[in-house]
Amino acid sequence: DTEVTQTPKHLVMGMTNKKSLKCEQHMGHRAMYWYKQKAKKPPELMFVYSYEKLSINESVPSRFSPECPNSSLLNLHLHALQPEDSALYLCASSPTDYSNQPQHFGDGTRLSIL
Amino acid sequence: TQLLEQSPQFLSIQEGENLTVYCNSSSVFSSLQWYRQEPGEGPVLLVTVVTGGEVKKLKRLTFQFGDARKDSSLHITAAQPGDTGLYLCAPTDSWGKLQFGAGTQVVVTP
Repeated sequence: DTEVTQTPKHLVMGMTNKKSLKCEQHMGHRAMYWYKQKAKKPPELMFVYSYEKLSINESVPSRFSPECPNSSLLNLHLHALQPEDSALYLCASSPTDYSNQPQHFGDGTRLSIL
Repeated sequence: TQLLEQSPQFLSIQEGENLTVYCNSSSVFSSLQWYRQEPGEGPVLLVTVVTGGEVKKLKRLTFQFGDARKDSSLHITAAQPGDTGLYLCAPTDSWGKLQFGAGTQVVVTP
């Protein structure tokens, strides 16, 4: 069982809907990440939070809005998504955002945009 | 952004055979991690290599980091169906960001 829990596992939404993806870890990690993974491709970094503050935004469109309410939780708010946003969204955490830190991944939310 | 190449893209072998996956860059890595991702799951860290020339073993998996820290390899001995998955190399930069290679899909058939 993964130590990073993501909900929901699957999500189907229309382009006008608003939904949120949730990620939770209780390992005491202070860095959390959102990745997007298309089929047969590697994960691509979207956002990094370090000590609950956004430290990296990889030029992600504003229709994706991350939020880190506390050190254990990470949300990704979705609004007005496009069909090309359909993908597996992975959350990860690590003890800190320093180099060499192992990242622990959740099993992802598979998102389909109609 | 460093140019990162992972090869081969796809590998299909029989149980008991050996295989090697390569990860190469035009730049020097400060460190490199190898992950395996199975269908329907997130990537799982296998190993982190930091020192040039380093060799690490994890049961039947042997990881090498090149002397110049520009390349790495993963060798699996006597592959088993449970080794099936997407193998990803990921150098880290000074900010801790992972840059994943394109991945090698390994399929081991009984």
